[in-house]
Amino acid sequence: EAGVTQFPSHSVIEKGQTVTLRCDPISGHDNLYWYRRVMGKEIKFLLHFVKESKQDESGMPNNRFLAERTGGTYSTLKVQPAELEDSGVYFCASSQHDRVLNYGYTFGSGTRLTVV
Amino acid sequence: GNSVTQMEGPVTLSEEAFLTINCTYTATGYPSLFWYVQYPGEGLQLLLKATKADDKGSNKGFEATYRKETTSFHLEKGSVQVSDSAVYFCALKGSQGNLIFGKGTKLSVKP
Repeated sequence: EAGVTQFPSHSVIEKGQTVTLRCDPISGHDNLYWYRRVMGKEIKFLLHFVKESKQDESGMPNNRFLAERTGGTYSTLKVQPAELEDSGVYFCASSQHDRVLNYGYTFGSGTRLTVV
Repeated sequence: GNSVTQMEGPVTLSEEAFLTINCTYTATGYPSLFWYVQYPGEGLQLLLKATKADDKGSNKGFEATYRKETTSFHLEKGSVQVSDSAVYFCALKGSQGNLIFGKGTKLSVKP
């Protein structure tokens, strides 16, 4: 089966611009997660979708970040306007509903965002 | 709250050396524990996991044992290879299903 796909793989934008990251989960995976790693720090949870609904968005840093999951398929994460501290690697992950309690997920290769 | 602490890197070893990367956690109850690995230019991959106390996860020669007495899940490998060079992340599964990660430990193995 195809893995979790993220694009772009890299993005360099200027402060104040808008960037949209996309994640295509594994087909049939109801759960979709976004995480972020700021340079040298922990990978931190941003939010969790179950199908098209936001199950938990407690990790979203502020209202400049907007995540959507149209029709419960792919998801987008928009940053508007981008700030320097938004630079980092954004990971997406997906899992089947019945595995969520005890197992890890399948991660994408991440999008490296650099805000200059 | 839940948290994971892992040893600071970078760690540099010669090929065939023994590897230990320490990981301790703070959590309510007994969460599932994981080690993820990120090879250069690639995404996060699940390396191994343990879902209850005293479980030993193992994969590709790596092992980690879930120790509730010491709240630890140290990663070990008896003989590392150059191809093991990567960043290793310890993680636990939070009550909401999300993962809580440590800061990551970069391992470099020299021939």
